[in-house]
Amino acid sequence: GENVEQHPSTLSVQEGDSAVIKCTYSDSASNYFPWYKQELGKRPQLIIDIRSNVGEKKDQRIAVTLNKTAKHFSLHITETQPEDSAVYFCAASRGNTDKLIFGTGTRLQVFP
Amino acid sequence: DAGVIQSPRHEVTEMGQEVTLRCKPISGHNSLFWYRQTMMRGLELLIYFNNNVPIDDSGMPEDRFSAKMPNASFSTLKIQPSEPRDSAVYFCASTLDSTNTGELFFGEGSRLTVL
Repeated sequence: GENVEQHPSTLSVQEGDSAVIKCTYSDSASNYFPWYKQELGKRPQLIIDIRSNVGEKKDQRIAVTLNKTAKHFSLHITETQPEDSAVYFCAASRGNTDKLIFGTGTRLQVFP
Repeated sequence: DAGVIQSPRHEVTEMGQEVTLRCKPISGHNSLFWYRQTMMRGLELLIYFNNNVPIDDSGMPEDRFSAKMPNASFSTLKIQPSEPRDSAVYFCASTLDSTNTGELFFGEGSRLTVL
């Protein structure tokens, strides 16, 4: 089955700096890669996703890149703000009613 | 829509007791997922349903865990008997996309503590 590895497990940055979180997946048939943000005590919420026919996607200060050959994808947050502090999860799925498997999460702390 | 609704929000029980967690997915969504979240293991998929049918329960830890979805608007996750290592936050999530390549909408979670 699919296995998703995520690193780093914790990341501390200064406000205004960039943050990068990386994930690798094992199943070459996976074709959908979302990222979820979970604030303390809250539910995970989708922030951006990418499908296998696209190499990069941007939404304001966040972007995701996908390298299908190497089976890894990354989340980039630019101009970080304290409200970006949260746990971020990557995930992968084959689609076609297949399950969504999450990475173990990255706790991002942005210091003012 | 009120979103995915889970109950109870918090449950404290003693080892050996039966625990039942409940979930109401967003109306019209046809896939429902149960995840367990712990500090050590992150978000683990326990089981998921598509059109009320269990598709994959390979993540269910052992026979003490069972899940049902008797209709499109209700699902339960039962633990019997419960053990301290079952302590975690249990999330239910639903999605409209039957291919599971769309946004998962999570409930607020049920925090279970087994003493």
